[in-house]
Amino acid sequence: NAGVMQNPRHLVRRRGQEARLRCSPMKGHSHVYWYRQLPEEGLKFMVYLQKENIIDESGMPKERFSAEFPKEGPSILRIQQVVRGDSAAYFCASSNSTDTQYFGPGTRLTVL
Amino acid sequence: DAKTTQPPSMDCAEGRAANLPCNHSTISGNEYVYWYRQIHSQGPQYIIHGLKNNETNEMASLIITEDRKSSTLILPHATLRDTAVYYCTARTDSWGKLQFGAGTQVVVTP
Repeated sequence: NAGVMQNPRHLVRRRGQEARLRCSPMKGHSHVYWYRQLPEEGLKFMVYLQKENIIDESGMPKERFSAEFPKEGPSILRIQQVVRGDSAAYFCASSNSTDTQYFGPGTRLTVL
Repeated sequence: DAKTTQPPSMDCAEGRAANLPCNHSTISGNEYVYWYRQIHSQGPQYIIHGLKNNETNEMASLIITEDRKSSTLILPHATLRDTAVYYCTARTDSWGKLQFGAGTQVVVTP
């Protein structure tokens, strides 16, 4: 049973470009969570989605960030007009209902 | 969700048991205690969780005090591959998000 998959694993963007991070949950999981880990800091919750619905986006910056989890396909975290402060590791986790969350390997975003 | 506090670091000798404490004095009755670890910069790895009873699995044991204000994660025979940051977190089972603190940096030495 494949685990949570994230791609790309590494992403380099210049300031002002867009970043798209993808997360494929574990088979059978319909709940997806995104977390961000800034350099030398802990993990911070960003957003919680179920299929086609955003359940909790209390940790997501109000501007430039958006997330979706369509009926078909992976969950997407989208960052528009990236700035250097967006450089971080972005982790996705999935769960079956509100059970244990399993994390993916992360996407490391570097903004030049 | 309850706030958790952990010591910033601890060392452990290879082959010995590692006992990692966590305080969660504001935990409510329906909040579970979860433990994860993060090896270097990999994705967090689930270890174990519990509500009020002690739990054991192939990775570790979790001891929760009777008043549920603290818990201890036990790695029975630490190996060098157990070197990681260990996070204790509490959350209700009816809502998803996990809140991570700074965790405990565990270094296992030969």
